[in-house]
Amino acid sequence: KAGVTQTPRYLIKTRGQQVTLSCSPISGHRSVSWYQQTPGQGLQFLFEYFSETQRNKGNFPGRFSGRQFSNSRSEMNVSTLELGDSALYLCASSPGGLAGARNEQFFGPGTRLTVL
Amino acid sequence: GNSVTQMEGPVTLSEEAFLTINCTYTATGYPSLFWYVQYPGEGLQLLLKATKADDKGSNKGFEATYRKETTSFHLEKGSVQVSDSAVYFCALGLTQGGSEKLVFGKGTKLTVNP
Repeated sequence: KAGVTQTPRYLIKTRGQQVTLSCSPISGHRSVSWYQQTPGQGLQFLFEYFSETQRNKGNFPGRFSGRQFSNSRSEMNVSTLELGDSALYLCASSPGGLAGARNEQFFGPGTRLTVL
Repeated sequence: GNSVTQMEGPVTLSEEAFLTINCTYTATGYPSLFWYVQYPGEGLQLLLKATKADDKGSNKGFEATYRKETTSFHLEKGSVQVSDSAVYFCALGLTQGGSEKLVFGKGTKLTVNP
């Protein structure tokens, strides 16, 4: 089975721009989560999608948004970029369903976003 | 709230040394517990997990036991190798209204010297 893929792997943007990151989960997985990793704050949960619905959202401003498509692929969007948005953005997929948090989340390699 | 506290790094060991990375947690309910590892330039890989009290997770010589009485999930390995050099993250797995969420510790960087 192919793993979780994320595109692009690297992005450079300037302040005020917007960006869209893409994530393709493992085939058959219906839950997709996004995390932000920075040296200062560590790994922080952004949001989780299951069957095209956002089920949970972390403590991030409304500039951070996402969506999930019917094939479980997901995108996240950051508008009006700030310098502090520079980070590694990780996507993770899991089967979802009744096992809940007992499921392993499988992570992609991440998208490294640099905001200048 | 829900949180994870890991021992501060970095940790530097010689090959074949014993490794312990401490992890304690605060959580409501009955979380699952995970150790993830991150190699340079890569995403996170699951190292091991435990889903209920007294469960022992193990993989590639690493072990951790879910201790509810001490709210701990310490990672151990009897003999580390240079290839174990990486950053290790302890995480809580939470189910909130049907949603899955991981809460991570800050990570512990391990360097193993030959």
